[in-house]
Amino acid sequence: DGGITQSPKYLFRKEGQNVTLSCEQNLNHDAMYWYRQDPGQGLRLIYYSQIVNDFQKGDIAEGYSVSREKKESFPLTVTSAQKNPTAFYLCASSMIPGGNEAFFGQGTRLTVV
Amino acid sequence: AQSVAQPEDQVNVAEGNPLTVKCTYSVSGNPYLFWYVQYPNRGLQFLLKYITGDNLVKGSYGFEAEFNKSQTSFHLKKPSALVSDSALYFCAVRDWGTDSWGKFQFGAGTQVVVTP
Repeated sequence: DGGITQSPKYLFRKEGQNVTLSCEQNLNHDAMYWYRQDPGQGLRLIYYSQIVNDFQKGDIAEGYSVSREKKESFPLTVTSAQKNPTAFYLCASSMIPGGNEAFFGQGTRLTVV
Repeated sequence: AQSVAQPEDQVNVAEGNPLTVKCTYSVSGNPYLFWYVQYPNRGLQFLLKYITGDNLVKGSYGFEAEFNKSQTSFHLKKPSALVSDSALYFCAVRDWGTDSWGKFQFGAGTQVVVTP
């Protein structure tokens, strides 16, 4: 089945640790996105990428890093510089022409312990 | 810059009654508009989209949306709500041909509560 897979579903981070969230898609989509969801704030864009080895900062990129070494994969690292990382993280992908919808993974809930 | 507003944090409706979830948008180019639904601790599921053409768009699970260019609105509707429609609904706009490059901008979401 085609789709977008995020792992793990739940992740716990200690203070000062970096953690990496996985996102893989087999939809052959060029564009991939990372969003952060907090209660009452909707989805905020962290990073996005339209092509391998290229990505752009979104609205809240500070404290996060990404890579796009393969078309299918767009991992997100939450660094120790992110002071309030507890949130629900959503990965999405889409075809590039504007009328195409985004497909979302099931999300990763990150909690600082 | 593109933006989306969902003016209602929550919409309450009785089962069997019509459901409307409001959305207004602002873009500098031609808008591509989308509605998504989210159930607790899950990703977003696509419901429908407007690209061009007929202003009334039909989507999944009996939902439809009406595009109104003069009012810059894209309200989601369902003629008869079900308890299972209780969820968080997001409106999104994708601008094109500008420096926004095709990013999806989401509204804050509207919680729909359908009571039996």
